[in-house]
Amino acid sequence: EDQVTQSPEALRLQEGESSSLNCSYTVSGLRGLFWYRQDPGKGPEFLFTLYSAGEEKEKERLKATLTKKESFLHITAPKPEDSATYLCAVQVVGGATNKLIFGTGTLLAVQP
Amino acid sequence: GAGVSQSPRYKVAKRGQDVALRCDPISGHVSLFWYQQALGQGPEFLTYFQNEAQLDKSGLPSDRFFAERPEGSVSTLKIQRTQQEDSAVYLCASSFGNSPLHFGNGTRLTVT
Repeated sequence: EDQVTQSPEALRLQEGESSSLNCSYTVSGLRGLFWYRQDPGKGPEFLFTLYSAGEEKEKERLKATLTKKESFLHITAPKPEDSATYLCAVQVVGGATNKLIFGTGTLLAVQP
Repeated sequence: GAGVSQSPRYKVAKRGQDVALRCDPISGHVSLFWYQQALGQGPEFLTYFQNEAQLDKSGLPSDRFFAERPEGSVSTLKIQRTQQEDSAVYLCASSFGNSPLHFGNGTRLTVT
């Protein structure tokens, strides 16, 4: 069964304190792994897509990496505006199916 | 418009009432998706359209849920005889080709 597990469920950091969020997955044939950011009352906002093990992508203070079993979202020197829920999802495509399977997210709070 | 637009933003329904939720995707986006997000959870797939064709409706929880996209642009998700367990945020997303999904801000449905 295709499954995505994110950890930790919640993370509190001081401004400038770097850390990593984990996303482990089991899927039959990974087509893509996605990271989204979700602010309260808003829809998920796209951050990154990773397609193959060893791939890395960066955007400002965020860097996403991918192995065969998991992905990490590294946050370097976070600021309070990075506070949000970070969602990981895997793409499942086959036959008529084209969908994302999401984890439950990591709620990040960055305190000044 | 610049993004995916959903209406209404909030809907309160008495148990047993029918509701209709509207999604205006980004112009030109062929693919349209509906997801359901319970409080504290990640979005869960409901259904997928390519143009006006509903290719996958495997995520619809029951036959009370019905989605349509008659002209290949605007989509409506209808829930008949609402139950308390239907309370959630309903997210619509659209995409073109292999581009990432762009989500709207959702409709928060509360069934009392």
